[in-house]
Amino acid sequence: NAGVMQNPRHLVRRRGQEARLRCSPMKGHSHVYWYRQLPEEGLKFMVYLQKENIIDESGMPKERFSAEFPKEGPSILRIQQVVRGDSAAYFCASSRRQGSGYTFGSGTRLTVV
Amino acid sequence: GQQLNQSPQSMFIQEGEDVSMNCTSSSIFNTWLWYKQDPGEGPVLLIALYKAGELTSNGRLTAQFGITRKDSFLNISASIPSDVGIYFCAGQEDGGSQGNLIFGKGTKLSVKP
Repeated sequence: NAGVMQNPRHLVRRRGQEARLRCSPMKGHSHVYWYRQLPEEGLKFMVYLQKENIIDESGMPKERFSAEFPKEGPSILRIQQVVRGDSAAYFCASSRRQGSGYTFGSGTRLTVV
Repeated sequence: GQQLNQSPQSMFIQEGEDVSMNCTSSSIFNTWLWYKQDPGEGPVLLIALYKAGELTSNGRLTAQFGITRKDSFLNISASIPSDVGIYFCAGQEDGGSQGNLIFGKGTKLSVKP
C-alpha cells in the first residue's frame, strides 16, 4: 500500500536547465496537488490537478512553470530555465476526493547551482 | 494572499511537559488541519477538523476548531523525545479553492530528555 511517491528525492540543476519532478499519487487517488516549501517556511500552494485537467493553478508562477497529470503515468511539475530562486523543496499530495484526506509525498529537493 | 499566524515559532521543553500551539487567520476557514514534518520528509497529517467548535483527539494530541472559525489550537500532553519536529497548521478558506491549503510557518518543537 504505497504512499505518494515522488522522484527524484534530490535534484541538482545548473541555471538555465530544465527540472522535471514526478509524482505518483496513492492508489485510487485522482486528485493531485503541488506545493513549494522554502527553508524555515510553510508550504505554499502551486497547482491542483485531476486526471488530464488543471483545476486551480493560482499559485503557479506565470512563466517557466507548468504541470500536467496525464491519463496514464505520474503527474509532472516542469520548471524551465531554472534560476537560483527556484531552489526549494517541492511536495506533491494526493486525495481520493476533492479537498479532503490529503497525503503528502516525501518531496523533491531542488538545488539550482 | 491569506496568511496564517502560527505561534509560537519554536519551543524548548522538558520531556513529560505539555505543549500548546495555535493558529489564527484573518478570514473564516471551513477546515483546519494539523501536520507534523520531520527533517527531509513531507508533512504527515495528525488531526483534521471540519466543524466550528469541534474538539478531536489522536492519542496524546488534541486539537480544536475555534468557534469563530478563525483559529485552532493543538495540544500535546506528556511530551516524549519523538515528538520533536515542526508542526504546521493548515486550513481551507471559506469560499476558497477546494484544492488550496494555506499553511502557517510552523512551530519547531525541541524536547529535552
